Amino acid sequence: EDQVTQSPEALRLQEGESSSLNCSYTVSGLRGLFWYRQDPGKGPEFLFTLYSAGEEKEKERLKATLTKKESFLHITAPKPEDSATYLCAVRMFSGGYNKLIFGAGTRLAVHP
Amino acid sequence: NAGVTQTPKFQVLKTGQSMTLQCAQDMNHEYMSWYRQDPGMGLRLIHYSVGAGITDQGEVPNGYNVSRSTTEDFPLRLLSAAPSQTSVYFCASAPGGQAGNTIYFGEGSWLTVV
Repeated sequence: EDQVTQSPEALRLQEGESSSLNCSYTVSGLRGLFWYRQDPGKGPEFLFTLYSAGEEKEKERLKATLTKKESFLHITAPKPEDSATYLCAVRMFSGGYNKLIFGAGTRLAVHP
Repeated sequence: NAGVTQTPKFQVLKTGQSMTLQCAQDMNHEYMSWYRQDPGMGLRLIHYSVGAGITDQGEVPNGYNVSRSTTEDFPLRLLSAAPSQTSVYFCASAPGGQAGNTIYFGEGSWLTVV
């Protein structure tokens, strides 16, 4: 069964305490892995797309990496404004269209 | 710079009532879709459209209808609301005929069915 699992469900960090979020997937025919940020009461905001194992993307304090089975979102020296839910999604071709399967998300809280 | 606009933001319905969630985008995107987001679960695709006049079902289409008469608009209709349809609904759009590299989401519509 095609599945995307994110861990941990929730993460509490002190400001400046680096950590990583995990997204593991079991899909056939991966056509891209996406990371989104979602603030309370808002829609998901696109962060990164990764296509092949070994690929890395960076944006400010965030770095996303991809292997054949999982992706990591590394957060370096986080600030309180990084608090949000981070969603992972994988794109695959199924049923005649490009399908996005989302994980349930990791709720990140960064405290000063 | 509107992007994807959803209305209403909040709605309370009684079981059995019908309603339409509106979605409009001003980016000339071909691909539009509706997702629902429930606690502890990922976003799930309800219906999608790859262009005006073309719609198809996603993972959880039962109880919902869509139409795409223009490129800009993609309304979602709840035919006879049920408590199981209490959720947050997101409309999304992307360039290209299928889900492109970047999917843009609206701000969401919170629906409660009592």
